[in-house]
Amino acid sequence: EDQVTQSPEALRLQEGESSSLNCSYTVSGLRGLFWYRQDPGKGPEFLFTLYSAGEEKEKERLKATLTKKESFLHITAPKPEDSATYLCAVQFLETSGSRLTFGEGTQLTVNP
Amino acid sequence: ETGVTQTPRHLVMGMTNKKSLKCEQHLGHNAMYWYKQSAKKPLELMFVYNFKEQTENNSVPSRFSPECPNSSHLFLHLHTLQPEDSALYLCASSQAADTQYFGPGTRLTVL
Repeated sequence: EDQVTQSPEALRLQEGESSSLNCSYTVSGLRGLFWYRQDPGKGPEFLFTLYSAGEEKEKERLKATLTKKESFLHITAPKPEDSATYLCAVQFLETSGSRLTFGEGTQLTVNP
Repeated sequence: ETGVTQTPRHLVMGMTNKKSLKCEQHLGHNAMYWYKQSAKKPLELMFVYNFKEQTENNSVPSRFSPECPNSSHLFLHLHTLQPEDSALYLCASSQAADTQYFGPGTRLTVL
């Protein structure tokens, strides 16, 4: 069964302290990998889509990268407003085109 | 973000009640989805509709009944729910298999 694993489960950073979140997946063929941000009590907000190994996307303090087995979400000089749960989701080649398999998320807290 | 709207935002119901959740997308997409999000668990896909036709039912109990009258509207009819059905119910839409955009969710509590 295709699986998506995110680590760490929770991460506390000081404002300005850069770090990375990890999303790894069983290697059964990737159609696309998606990163979302979710604030408490709200729906996931789309951040990035990555389709092939070596691809990178950036948005403000966030940068997403993709290898054949995992993706990283790099957060540079985070601010308290970056505190949220970050979700990774994968479209596997062997499943129907639109099905997403989600990880459990990384809860990020950035202290001022 | 108003691309995908959901009503109500909060719902409390008894186990014998019948209620409905509504989702509307303003993005011109042709696919719509229902997800369930419980505490400490990944998002679980419930149903997928493409061009109003149901294409996936992820072994969801029959007490959840979806309806998709057109590509912009999606409903989830609820009846005789159990307390373990309490969760955040999320609607999403996409253009084919492209990026899914989510609504704000309905927080459901079953007493």
